[in-house]
Amino acid sequence: KNEVEQSPQNLTAQEGEFITINCSYSVGISALHWLQQHPGGGIVSLFMLSSGKKKHGRLIATINIQEKHSSLHITASHPRDSAVYICAVGSSNYKLTFGKGTLLTVNP
Amino acid sequence: GAVVSQHPSWVICKSGTSVKIECRSLDFQATTMFWYRQFPKQSLMLMATSNEGSKATYEQGVEKDKFLINHASLTLSTLTVTSAHPEDSSFYICSALSSGKQTQYFGPGTRLLVL
Repeated sequence: KNEVEQSPQNLTAQEGEFITINCSYSVGISALHWLQQHPGGGIVSLFMLSSGKKKHGRLIATINIQEKHSSLHITASHPRDSAVYICAVGSSNYKLTFGKGTLLTVNP
Repeated sequence: GAVVSQHPSWVICKSGTSVKIECRSLDFQATTMFWYRQFPKQSLMLMATSNEGSKATYEQGVEKDKFLINHASLTLSTLTVTSAHPEDSSFYICSALSSGKQTQYFGPGTRLLVL
């Protein structure tokens, strides 16, 4: 069983819809990361959080340490949000363990 | 924001040759850099942790004699795939840890194709 599980694996939405991607993990962590990977492969770090909630523009990330669960929300989704979203958990030595990613497609 | 570059972005080589990939932190110092590998439709997998001025730490199953890592300065780490074979074809990504912010910044990746 993968230590980091994401759901759904694939998600198709219409422009403007509210999107939620979930991440559950089974190991102790120091921080959880949400990353965005575009088709070319490059990775952008969206959030790093260890508790509570963070917001950046239309993106919101939450984490529940007790339940070992995090969510990434996208409000008013847009076709340019189409990408693979990856959840990764970090240990105290900053090593990351990655989920398999969620492929998001936002149609106009 | 902090920028990490990788060079080259694409490389095609013949089986048996060695390929060097550079990872640079452009506007911050990184005492620690990480090298990851991603096969098609798979998760990123950590290969090794590169520490400036010391030997890299390799993850289980990663051959240190095949994947040579040199972290010669606070802004540069290199990964050399020695005697590359087709099964080494993959997407290699580095990240640099900003010691001040304790945040990892990822490079754009290098796609390696070994013929």
